[in-house]
Amino acid sequence: AQSVTQLGSHVSVSEGALVLLRCNYSSSVPPYLFWYVQYPNQGLQLLLKYTTGATLVKGINGFEAEFKKSETSFHLTKPSAHMSDAAEYFCAVSEGNFGNEKLTFGTGTRLTIIP
Amino acid sequence: EPEVTQTPSHQVTQMGQEVILRCVPISNHLYFYWYRQILGQKVEFLVSFYNNEISEKSEIFDDQFSVERPDGSNFTLKIRSTKLEDSAMYFCASRLTGQPQHFGDGTRLSIL
Repeated sequence: AQSVTQLGSHVSVSEGALVLLRCNYSSSVPPYLFWYVQYPNQGLQLLLKYTTGATLVKGINGFEAEFKKSETSFHLTKPSAHMSDAAEYFCAVSEGNFGNEKLTFGTGTRLTIIP
Repeated sequence: EPEVTQTPSHQVTQMGQEVILRCVPISNHLYFYWYRQILGQKVEFLVSFYNNEISEKSEIFDDQFSVERPDGSNFTLKIRSTKLEDSAMYFCASRLTGQPQHFGDGTRLSIL
């Protein structure tokens, strides 16, 4: 069974500082990994995804994540935080070849940006 | 950019009543999903739907729940007799083969 652990339910960073949101996964097969962002009163917007190939993936809004199989991690980073990055971020895993598989989400990390 | 559309944005229902949550997936998508998020908790999978039938369902998706794609554009989630614990944000998602899921903005269901 697949699972996701997000360390830190709340993360605060200063504007302009590095953003690091942690995600570890468990999967019995090579996983597909995703980061979604949720702004207040909105749905889930895809930030980036890892399927196969390059382990460093770039997403929207300057975010990127690196798949590290040996550490079973998929941490999300952004070099310089912006006020508009304040939101809730969810890591998710899906098993299989983009078949009909469900997403399993982590518990989310609320990112606060300090002016 | 095409979007998944969910209506209503907020639904208030008395306990024991039936409720139908509506979703219009992106038009050429083939796979459809419902998830829910109880306040303060993580997003949980409910059901996936492909080729006019349920592909997978979670333990949450018991006999009180059903899904339907009645007309080729809408995708509905019905809860037959709502309970207080059904109060949550319900998200619809859709996708193409080989592509990530796209989510709607959700319907907040409040059971009184």
